[in-house]
Amino acid sequence: DTGVSQDPRHKITKRGQNVTFRCDPISEHNRLYWYRQTLGQGPEFLTYFQNEAQLEKSRLLSDRFSAERPKGSFSTLEIQRTEQGDSAMYLCASSLSRTGVSPLHFGNGTRLTVT
Amino acid sequence: AQTVTQSQPEMSVQEAETVTLSCTYDTSESDYYLFWYKQPPSRQMILVIRQEAYKQQNATENRFSVNFQKAAKSFSLKISDSQLGDAAMYFCAYRSAFQNSGGSNYKLTFGKGTLLTVNP
Repeated sequence: DTGVSQDPRHKITKRGQNVTFRCDPISEHNRLYWYRQTLGQGPEFLTYFQNEAQLEKSRLLSDRFSAERPKGSFSTLEIQRTEQGDSAMYLCASSLSRTGVSPLHFGNGTRLTVT
Repeated sequence: AQTVTQSQPEMSVQEAETVTLSCTYDTSESDYYLFWYKQPPSRQMILVIRQEAYKQQNATENRFSVNFQKAAKSFSLKISDSQLGDAAMYFCAYRSAFQNSGGSNYKLTFGKGTLLTVNP
């Protein structure tokens, strides 16, 4: 178990540019989540995958945001035409589906700064 | 929609002492899960403890225990014998136990967090 891996750790971009983040979940985990965390706030849910299917999306996920998990393993989160308000920590988490509640395992996050 | 409120932005405790972090939540559901997560300065969130709403017994994990008051919608975390390594941001989180028609509804709703400082 190598944990949830996110790349890059930090990303600085200019307003209007596109950025893409990658998340590699724990290998046997079939559920994958994206959260966004701004300074002084708790994480806010963005979207959730079970295997390759995107089953839930938050209203926070505007048309500029898109997430994929093409083979049910790693996932990417793309932000098009970035805005300064997109500056945040983007957290990925994974879990295993089973009876009862399965705890989420979080990655270290990708910190995005839009200048 | 569910909401989670942590009314203490910051707390401090002396090493070896006990501290309690508060959390209240609002929901119309009868079955759900509650969690406390710890986020050290390295930023990786770690699960501290969880509670199933249908269980009356308060969860405990070593030095960490909760006081779950379902009627009051309160879920506080008690840390006993505080250690320097306990210093972190602590988040209370809620998750519904019900699945919607799409088979999802696994998202967590977090509070704003409480920054815990442990003084030597």
